[in-house]
Amino acid sequence: AQSVTQPDIHITVSEGASLELRCNYSYGATPYLFWYVQSPGQGLQLLLKYFSGDTLVQGIKGFEAEFKRSQSSFNLRKPSVHWSDAAEYFCAVAGSGNTGKLIFGQGTTLQVKP
Amino acid sequence: EAGVAQSPRYKIIEKRQSVAFWCNPISGHATLYWYQQILGQGPKLLIQFQNNGVVDDSQLPKDRFSAERLKGVDSTLKIQPAKLEDSAVYLCASSFASGGGEQYFGPGTRLTVT
Repeated sequence: AQSVTQPDIHITVSEGASLELRCNYSYGATPYLFWYVQSPGQGLQLLLKYFSGDTLVQGIKGFEAEFKRSQSSFNLRKPSVHWSDAAEYFCAVAGSGNTGKLIFGQGTTLQVKP
Repeated sequence: EAGVAQSPRYKIIEKRQSVAFWCNPISGHATLYWYQQILGQGPKLLIQFQNNGVVDDSQLPKDRFSAERLKGVDSTLKIQPAKLEDSAVYLCASSFASGGGEQYFGPGTRLTVT
């Protein structure tokens, strides 16, 4: 069965520092992978997605993610974090049969220090 | 364009009571999803509609949860009777098509069962 693991429940970085959020997935075939961000009281917003092709994916708000099949990973990165990036981040994989069903990780809460 | 609308935003009920949530997807979106997000966890799909037909309800507790999308537009999710463990945020999402299409999420309904 498909699953997503986000090893870090909570991460704190200083404003201006670089960021990497880890995501590992379990899926038998080529996965469709997503990163979403959720601010308090808000719905989830799509940051970026990987379907195929170039393994380095660019998203909104300066985020990027790299798909590494050998490591079953899809880590999210940002070179310089802004205070407004403080939120909860979810990695997700599309379920088998590609019906659109998303299987989410448990999320990583990002705190940004001034 | 208007986003996914949900109401109410917050609801507090006692166990064994019933509750209903409403979702209006983005105009023209054929696929509608209901997710349950328990505190500290990622969202979990409860039910997926394609127009007014059910695509996936494998994780819907059918003894107490029901959902409908009668005219293929807005949808209602009902819980009857509610249990303490139903306390969660209920997220509605819609997409133009299934199969990897971007899902747009509403702000969610926070349910507290006492």
